[in-house]
Amino acid sequence: RKEVEQDPGPFNVPEGATVAFNCTYSNSASQSFFWYRQDCRKEPKLLMSVYSSGNEDGRFTAQLNRASQYISLLIRDSKLSDSATYLCVVAHYNQGGKLIFGQGTELSVKP
Amino acid sequence: EPEVTQTPSHQVTQMGQEVILRCVPISNHLYFYWYRQILGQKVEFLVSFYNNEISEKSEIFDDQFSVERPDGSNFTLKIRSTKLEDSAMYFCASTIQGDGTEAFFGQGTRLTVV
Repeated sequence: RKEVEQDPGPFNVPEGATVAFNCTYSNSASQSFFWYRQDCRKEPKLLMSVYSSGNEDGRFTAQLNRASQYISLLIRDSKLSDSATYLCVVAHYNQGGKLIFGQGTELSVKP
Repeated sequence: EPEVTQTPSHQVTQMGQEVILRCVPISNHLYFYWYRQILGQKVEFLVSFYNNEISEKSEIFDDQFSVERPDGSNFTLKIRSTKLEDSAMYFCASTIQGDGTEAFFGQGTRLTVV
């Protein structure tokens, strides 16, 4: 079983739509959780960290359910510029900050 | 904004040749990493480096790979004898702490082995 699994995608949505990405992780020792964004052939960039209490940054809301080992990302009022691949990422404290990436979910926002 | 820089942006090499990929992490960061991404696949951890030694490495990071911090700024990844399957994008990253805080990635080096 993959350590981090994401929705297969791609997601094709119109501008203004709300889109949700799901992610599960298998290692209960995972202690830090993130959503990264990756544009085509570019480096991953941190979108937001994910906390147990849930957190919001503008149009983006992230949720973590430790009991279910489940992470989500909600994008409201999607923009053309949101088109990218969204990476679910986990880290373990006792592994020196090593990040474990999901395979990513591609989002394409159309006019 | 401080950034991680990598050189070269693209390297083409013949199979069996040695390559060195270079990175300059953010200056006050203490933890350094190499990741790779084969085209169409996920980003994979290769190695982490702290206090001038490897702190963790993956199964991918075999004897053909080595890392070095030769001075106070550069962090290098050497592949001794490249194989076709080493063709990938290699990303360097750095963090202030090694506890899963935000990692800053360089723009990557695209390695093509022919």
